Amino acid sequence: DTEVTQTPKHLVMGMTNKKSLKCEQHMGHRAMYWYKQKAKKPPELMFVYSYEKLSINESVPSRFSPECPNSSLLNLHLHALQPEDSALYLCASSYIRGWETQYFGPGTRLLVL
Amino acid sequence: AQTVTQSQPEMSVQEAETVTLSCTYDTSESDYYLFWYKQPPSRQMILVIRQEAYKQQNATENRFSVNFQKAAKSFSLKISDSQLGDAAMYFCAYTSNYGGSQGNLIFGKGTKLSVKP
Repeated sequence: DTEVTQTPKHLVMGMTNKKSLKCEQHMGHRAMYWYKQKAKKPPELMFVYSYEKLSINESVPSRFSPECPNSSLLNLHLHALQPEDSALYLCASSYIRGWETQYFGPGTRLLVL
Repeated sequence: AQTVTQSQPEMSVQEAETVTLSCTYDTSESDYYLFWYKQPPSRQMILVIRQEAYKQQNATENRFSVNFQKAAKSFSLKISDSQLGDAAMYFCAYTSNYGGSQGNLIFGKGTKLSVKP
């Protein structure tokens, strides 16, 4: 089973709202990733967690707050977003951080009004 | 810094024919890994094939194969017997096993493949 699940599939929020994206995997992977993908562009790495610890924060604004409560679950908390934050947010996981293949979830399509 | 270049924004192929997507990369590292990912419209990104740089043999997965030219830093994807379901955006990606960027996937801009019936 190489499944990464993400909820919700779609999200519309105002600039003053607080919302959260959820990602889950049950493959025993110890590395999890958040990517942002704008239309017709490649994914851009936002955060990397390795063994439930934040390893990389690619200079992402503080209005995005990641959380890894356990090895199977990854959250992305959103607050005071801007319209330009509208995008597809992808979660991925790999057995370990490094050369292992990353498996992607279907993404959450976010629209900020 | 490592870069990945896909010079073909769009490609088209007739069903049952063969098509080759190009990818070049730039790196000074010796231990790295290359991937082709497929992203159908509004669907999940999935791995097509991967290649370890230390392996001279080109990777193959059923109808998909790569031509890995390490000295030329080239990593092209060949799709044989193209099917309608192959229509998608194809991303070439690079990662290394070194230092702070360990495991970071660096993507090319993508090639949109259309398959004509």
